[in-house]
Amino acid sequence: DQQVKQNSPSLSVQEGRISILNCDYTNSMFDYFLWYKKYPAEGPTFLISISSIKDKNEDGRFTVFLNKSAKHLSLHIVPSQPGDSAVYFCAAGNAGGTSYGKLTFGQGTILTVHP
Amino acid sequence: DTGVSQNPRHKITKRGQNVTFRCDPISEHNRLYWYRQTLGQGPEFLTYFQNEAQLEKSRLLSDRFSAERPKGSFSTLEIQRTEQGDSAMYLCASSLVVPTNEKLFFGSGTQLSVL
Repeated sequence: DQQVKQNSPSLSVQEGRISILNCDYTNSMFDYFLWYKKYPAEGPTFLISISSIKDKNEDGRFTVFLNKSAKHLSLHIVPSQPGDSAVYFCAAGNAGGTSYGKLTFGQGTILTVHP
Repeated sequence: DTGVSQNPRHKITKRGQNVTFRCDPISEHNRLYWYRQTLGQGPEFLTYFQNEAQLEKSRLLSDRFSAERPKGSFSTLEIQRTEQGDSAMYLCASSLVVPTNEKLFFGSGTQLSVL
């Protein structure tokens, strides 16, 4: 039972354009959401997060949008840079649970930004 | 380097053998997590510690898996009688819990191959 889904295995974007990565979830108990970025041979690194009480959170070139009614979130990267090429994981958690660090991850989307 | 350190980076073993991985968290972090990632999937939560206490274990963690965190510092994950299905990347993460927030810092992982 995949509670967090990233339906696009890969995305290819031109440098300078917008990258939009999507994520869907099924568990209504999730109340905070995160995006992690992973380069080859490295562990995932935290990128940006959003609480379920918000619908948007912005940090520099990265913006996460949350649509609770649709159980959908997206990550926008503007403008995209070649260094953004990596695997992006969507993750979700329940702040009312035992730990913020117990996360459910999606399968990941490979983003390639072409110069 | 003050990040999360995992050893070994790679481990190849024969089916039925026991293996042990080590994780050294960021020194001031009080929580330590183990995740497992298989090819094409996102990380899956296995277990976590707060200081030396193991607070939660996933149903994914069979009886052949055991984790310890003596003295609340480094942690070890042991797999007994390995099976080919145990082949995966084993990721460790640590965090410092502050009210309403907890950010995971991941190590680079240990890649296990069971032949």
